[in-house]
Amino acid sequence: DAGVTQSPTHLIKTRGQQVTLRCSPKSGHDTVSWYQQALGQGPQFIFQYYEEEERQRGNFPDRFSGHQFPNYSSELNVNALLLGDSALYLCASSLVLGAPNEKLFFGSGTQLSVL
Amino acid sequence: QKEVEQDPGPLSVPEGAIVSLNCTYSNSAFQYFMWYRQYSRKGPELLMYTYSSGNKEDGRFTAQVDKSSKYISLFIRDSQPSDSATYLCAMSRGPKAAGNKLTFGGGTRVLVKP
Repeated sequence: DAGVTQSPTHLIKTRGQQVTLRCSPKSGHDTVSWYQQALGQGPQFIFQYYEEEERQRGNFPDRFSGHQFPNYSSELNVNALLLGDSALYLCASSLVLGAPNEKLFFGSGTQLSVL
Repeated sequence: QKEVEQDPGPLSVPEGAIVSLNCTYSNSAFQYFMWYRQYSRKGPELLMYTYSSGNKEDGRFTAQVDKSSKYISLFIRDSQPSDSATYLCAMSRGPKAAGNKLTFGGGTRVLVKP
């Protein structure tokens, strides 16, 4: 049973460019969340998708946007990249938004470097 | 002030010792408490998951939650070099209140020396 898969593993971009990161949730999961983890820090919540809609959003600017597809996979888009966007971007999936005792399962992340 | 505080370490212990980790938090609405282990350049892996106050044991791991003090702990008994990793505490207001949005501490780096 495949867990949460993310692509690409590593990505190098320059300031001002745009980037798209992809995530396939664990089989059977329908909710996807994205987190940003800067070096030496804990993950920070970006947003969460369920039924192809953004359900919650953390304290991130509109440059960060996302999408969820009918097969539950998701994309994270970041426009006008800044040096400070360099981080490990983590995707997490779970089953059924709002279910009690629901746990998140994380992918290995995409390491984004902005030069 | 961050909602969840965690000593960044590094915490170095000899093999076989007990590793003691803790986090403090300020938001009394947190109901679910988790500990994740993260190896370098990998995603976090869920170790322990507890609801409200109390203790929970799973093999070599024991998690404690004291909501009155807003303090959670993780103990690792008989530590092994393979336990060397960064340990992240995380908490949420609960799936119905916050859709499983997690608030993480900054992580504690642990090194178990052979």
